[in-house]
Amino acid sequence: TQLLEQSPQFLSIQEGENLTVYCNSSSVFSSLQWYRQEPGEGPVLLVTVVTGGEVKKLKRLTFQFGDARKDSSLHITAAQTGDTGLYLCADKGGSNYKLTFGKGTLLTVNP
Amino acid sequence: GAGVSQSPRYKVAKRGQDVALRCDPISGHVSLFWYQQALGQGPEFLTYFQNEAQLDKSGLPSDRFFAERPEGSVSTLKIQRTQQEDSAVYLCASSQRDGVYGYTFGSGTRLTVV
Repeated sequence: TQLLEQSPQFLSIQEGENLTVYCNSSSVFSSLQWYRQEPGEGPVLLVTVVTGGEVKKLKRLTFQFGDARKDSSLHITAAQTGDTGLYLCADKGGSNYKLTFGKGTLLTVNP
Repeated sequence: GAGVSQSPRYKVAKRGQDVALRCDPISGHVSLFWYQQALGQGPEFLTYFQNEAQLDKSGLPSDRFFAERPEGSVSTLKIQRTQQEDSAVYLCASSQRDGVYGYTFGSGTRLTVV
């Protein structure tokens, strides 16, 4: 069974700071997805990465996928209060459809 | 609809009571998933439908949990004889295929068993 470890578990920063959160897998990722979940809402897909070494940018968010496809990071530049939420990584592992999620990083950006 | 709609948003049930949670997926989405999210955890897979066929129910915690999607659109997750450990957020997601482009999640139903 694939295990996804996310770190840190909690992160509290001031607006304008930069941050990085991590996702590590016990086995090679098949198709890694990053989601953000705001309080009281469902997760919203941010990005899907497939190729080892891939880097994707989404405005102030930069997603990196490790060469060995067992680790990934999400870097946020100049965090804003609207970035507050639970950041989840997820992968299908050996399944065609079933997502396995990490426990997430709970980010709080203070004004 | 524009998104995945779940109802009710909140449900308080007395221990032993039966509950039914509804999911209305995005129109035309073939695949439908149910996930359970305990406090402070990531979502965990419960079950998967492709149209009206339930192809995987391996994540259902016990035989008290039952899901159906009789006409290939709306789905209902039923929990019989609720117990305190059933308290969680139940998320429904849909996708055009097997989630190859990611899922669209609903806002969830928060179930509290007292």
